[in-house]
Amino acid sequence: SQKIEQNSEALNIQEGKTATLTCNYTNYSPAYLQWYRQDPGRGPVFLLLIRENEKEKRKERLKVTFDTTLKQSLFHITASQPADSATYLCALDAGGTSYGKLTFGQGTILTVHP
Amino acid sequence: SQTIHQWPATLVQPVGSPLSLECTVEGTSNPNLYWYRQAAGRGLQLLFYSVGIGQISSEVPQNLSASRPQDRQFILSSKKLLLSDSGFYLCAWSASNQPQHFGDGTRLSIL
Repeated sequence: SQKIEQNSEALNIQEGKTATLTCNYTNYSPAYLQWYRQDPGRGPVFLLLIRENEKEKRKERLKVTFDTTLKQSLFHITASQPADSATYLCALDAGGTSYGKLTFGQGTILTVHP
Repeated sequence: SQTIHQWPATLVQPVGSPLSLECTVEGTSNPNLYWYRQAAGRGLQLLFYSVGIGQISSEVPQNLSASRPQDRQFILSSKKLLLSDSGFYLCAWSASNQPQHFGDGTRLSIL
């Protein structure tokens, strides 16, 4: 069966360091991989989308990589700040006629300490 | 710009009572619409999705149903709630092959 794993349930880092979150998947051939941020009691907010034929995407302090051979995506936040503390979710989209349906990982809780 | 509204924000219901959660989208036409449930500390589980008025697909068998009476309105219902229906319910919309945009959810507690 299809499975998505975000390797760490929780990640604690010091302010200014780079946070690296991992998303692995099995039995899946996604056309797109997306990363979302979720704050407590709120809905997820879209951050970045990367396509299967793209290796890397950047947006300000955020970078995502996508390795379809390893079946893995890495999400980096450089120069992290306490305001980056949140739960980060990866999600896979099969594309085509999947109607944008997403399969989500369980999330990684990131805490950035001042 | 597009906005999505969900209500109520919190709801406490007795076991066996009915449920109706509403979601509306503004500023876009013919969106794909989704209902998710999120258990505490877990990822999102897709419950229903809709690609048009009256078109509903269910992803998991359960005690819930969904309806789309208008293009930008999506309703989640139950005739008789179970304890296991407790959770955080999220509505989302997307255009084709685009990221999803979520509402702020309804926290449902069943007593």
